[in-house]
Amino acid sequence: DAKTTQPTSMDCAEGRAANLPCNHSTISGNEYVYWYRQIHSQGPQYIIHGLKNNETNEMASLIITEDRKSSTLILPHATLRDTAVYYCIVRTYTGTASKLTFGTGTRLQVTL
Amino acid sequence: SAVISQKPSRDICQRGTSLTIQCQVDSQVTMMFWYRQQPGQSLTLIATANQGSEATYESGFVIDKFPISRPNLTFSTLTVSNMSPEDSSIYLCSVGTAPYNEQFFGPGTRLTVL
Repeated sequence: DAKTTQPTSMDCAEGRAANLPCNHSTISGNEYVYWYRQIHSQGPQYIIHGLKNNETNEMASLIITEDRKSSTLILPHATLRDTAVYYCIVRTYTGTASKLTFGTGTRLQVTL
Repeated sequence: SAVISQKPSRDICQRGTSLTIQCQVDSQVTMMFWYRQQPGQSLTLIATANQGSEATYESGFVIDKFPISRPNLTFSTLTVSNMSPEDSSIYLCSVGTAPYNEQFFGPGTRLTVL
């Protein structure tokens, strides 16, 4: 699986949009971009994933550049409960195997 | 989504002993995984638990240290054998669901080895 690079930490004011970047310059054509987050002392929570089109769900939006070498996770209106470590993961979709390789992630701190 | 429970939620164990962690899912799933998260670190995959066959271990993890069972499509166990303080971690069960290839995580088991 391709390697990802994320900033170690970021701050965001409550109510503002949180934009979390991720670089994955070695991504190949059949690899998806996944985002998970881990709130302190809990298991990771799935947020969103995409291949090449932008994706949106009730939690977030995922913007993938045209060359697919980077992406941005957007939390449109961050709240204090969004404080967590956010992991960007590139993974090959095989239809049966679901192995995820976690990097170090971005620690997002949402403040008042 | 799948609802995953783990037992125990936490434990404190003595060096040299073994602990078996249980993972129960509320629906049948194809893939089950075990991860370790050492203090202050990211998650590391230990092994993939295959129903009806031997688990597949990642580099650096061996069956003698982390034996795994997968008797059916909703249950798996991970045993941490002959524990040392370096085994103090959170151990997480995870499952993969078709057809969207999402993966969900249990709440984890926090293990402290004295």
